[in-house]
Amino acid sequence: AQSVTQLDSQVPVFEEAPVELRCNYSSSVSVYLFWYVQYPNQGLQLLLKYLSGSTLVKGINGFEAEFNKSQTSFHLRKPSVHISDTAEYFCAVNSPGASKIIFGSGTRLSIRP
Amino acid sequence: DAGVTQSPTHLIKTRGQQVTLRCSPISGHKSVSWYQQVLGQGPQFIFQYYEKEERGRGNFPDRFSARQFPNYSSELNVNALLLGDSALYLCASSSGTNSGNTIYFGEGSWLTVV
Repeated sequence: AQSVTQLDSQVPVFEEAPVELRCNYSSSVSVYLFWYVQYPNQGLQLLLKYLSGSTLVKGINGFEAEFNKSQTSFHLRKPSVHISDTAEYFCAVNSPGASKIIFGSGTRLSIRP
Repeated sequence: DAGVTQSPTHLIKTRGQQVTLRCSPISGHKSVSWYQQVLGQGPQFIFQYYEKEERGRGNFPDRFSARQFPNYSSELNVNALLLGDSALYLCASSSGTNSGNTIYFGEGSWLTVV
């Protein structure tokens, strides 16, 4: 079975400060990893994904994440956040051949001016 | 091109009633998945359909059913509604069943059961 743990339910940061949203996963098979963003009253949008290859993955809106197999982590980072980054962020996992994506419980990122 | 479209966007039902939610995938996408997102939680997988066949089912009771039509659109049906079925129902589409494919989500249907 696979699972995803997002360690922080809320992360408040000041505008232009760096941010890291933490994600750990559990899986007995190889994994694909994803970060999605959900703006208020909207569906989910893919920020980035790791399938294979380089462990540092760059996504949209200046976000990046690093796959760490030994620590079973896939933390999301941005060097300088903007007010428009205020949203809910979901880490997710699936595996080759799997039909479903398993999501974490989400981290609410709030940006203070 | 239009994204994934869902209807209705909001609806209110009474306990015991039945509801049908509709989804049109992105043009050219043959795979449709349904997810339930309860307030304050991450989405949970309900079904995946590809080429009109069910390819995966999550841990939901038999009150939940779905189907996919020849034009790849899909419906999710929920019978005998319970208060706990109140949630955002998300439809997602992708070009195939490769689990590494990017899936694109619609904006969802908000269901409130009273």
